Amino acid sequence: KNQVEQSPQSLIILEGKNCTLQCNYTVSPFSNLRWYKQDTGRGPVSLTIMTFSENTKSNGRYTATLDADTKQSSLHITASQLSDSASYICVVRNNNAGNMLTFGGGTRLMVKP
Amino acid sequence: ETGVTQTPRHLVMGMTNKKSLKCEQHLGHNAMYWYKQSAKKPLELMFVYNFKEQTENNSVPSRFSPECPNSSHLFLHLHTLQPEDSALYLCASSQEVGLRTDTQYFGPGTRLTVL
Repeated sequence: KNQVEQSPQSLIILEGKNCTLQCNYTVSPFSNLRWYKQDTGRGPVSLTIMTFSENTKSNGRYTATLDADTKQSSLHITASQLSDSASYICVVRNNNAGNMLTFGGGTRLMVKP
Repeated sequence: ETGVTQTPRHLVMGMTNKKSLKCEQHLGHNAMYWYKQSAKKPLELMFVYNFKEQTENNSVPSRFSPECPNSSHLFLHLHTLQPEDSALYLCASSQEVGLRTDTQYFGPGTRLTVL
């Protein structure tokens, strides 16, 4: 069964600190993995997408990594800001005829001053 | 904003009411989606439309009825809902179903409360 597990479920950090969010998946065959940011009261917004051959991709202070062998991804946030407070959702697409998406449960990040 | 709008943003309804959620996208996309987001649970895909044709109904109860009159508009008609249907309902659009790097753009959602 295709699954996406994210950890931790929630995280509180101080402004300016770094943090790393984890995503483990069992989706097979794998096509790509995407990280979304969802602010409170808003829909998810795509941060980055990674395909099988990509190990690292950055988007400003966000850096995503992918290890397709261990089926793990991480999202590293550098020098956190209050505006980083949101839920971060890992989504994995499979590579079969349906190209279906499997969503993780998200990590709720709170950045405190 | 993402180019996907949803109305209303908040809705409170009784179990015997009939209401509709509306979604509109201004991105020229051909695929539209309805998702349900409950607290502490992953997003659940409900319905998918591609070029106005429904391509997926993810075992959704019949009290939820989608309608896609054209590629830019999507409705979710609600009838005799249950309290457990209370959730955030998100609409999304993308270029076309089945494209591997297809990006879904989400609306802000409708927060539904069923009393």
